[in-house]
Amino acid sequence: KQEVTQIPAALSVPEGENLVLNCSFTDSAIYNLQWFRQDPGKGLTSLLLIQSSQREQTSGRLNASLDKSSGRSTLYIAASQPGDSATYLCAPTVSGSARQLTFGSGTQLTVLP
Amino acid sequence: EAGVVQSPRYKIIEKKQPVAFWCNPISGHNTLYWYRQNLGQGPELLIRYENEEAVDDSQLPKDRFSAERLKGVDSTLKIQPAELGDSAVYLCASSRQGGNEQFFGPGTRLTVL
Repeated sequence: KQEVTQIPAALSVPEGENLVLNCSFTDSAIYNLQWFRQDPGKGLTSLLLIQSSQREQTSGRLNASLDKSSGRSTLYIAASQPGDSATYLCAPTVSGSARQLTFGSGTQLTVLP
Repeated sequence: EAGVVQSPRYKIIEKKQPVAFWCNPISGHNTLYWYRQNLGQGPELLIRYENEEAVDDSQLPKDRFSAERLKGVDSTLKIQPAELGDSAVYLCASSRQGGNEQFFGPGTRLTVL
């Protein structure tokens, strides 16, 4: 069974800092990996999707990398802003027909103005 | 493109009462998912539909939970009777058939008293 760990569980940084969120997973046989953002009381917003054949994916100030063989992914946020404050969740998808996402518990990010 | 729609957004009931949640996926998305998210944790899959067929319901507590997706579009998740431990956020997501990326609705926050 796939297990996903996200470190740190919570992070507080001053505005403008670059930061890295970490995600590790136990089963490297994944189809892809998604990073999501969740604001308090809201649903999940998809940020980036990395296919298993890719090493990284970029969108604006966000860059996600994937090292499938070591079971790791990172989400890099450049020049953080207070509006980036949210919980960030990573979710690898198992290979095969199930296409099931397995979520970590998330990293709660607070960017201080 | 309209997103995934869920209703109600909030529901408070007493234990042993029934409750139902409704989801309308993104138009053209054949795959529909129901997740449960407990406080401080990532979502966990309850059931996945491909069109009107439930193809993965291994995580659905079948003694009290049921789901349906008539005509392969809207879906309803029901709990009867509800227990205190069912308090959580219930999220619906959809994706294109065989597609990679899942899109989530805002969720229904259930409180069982």
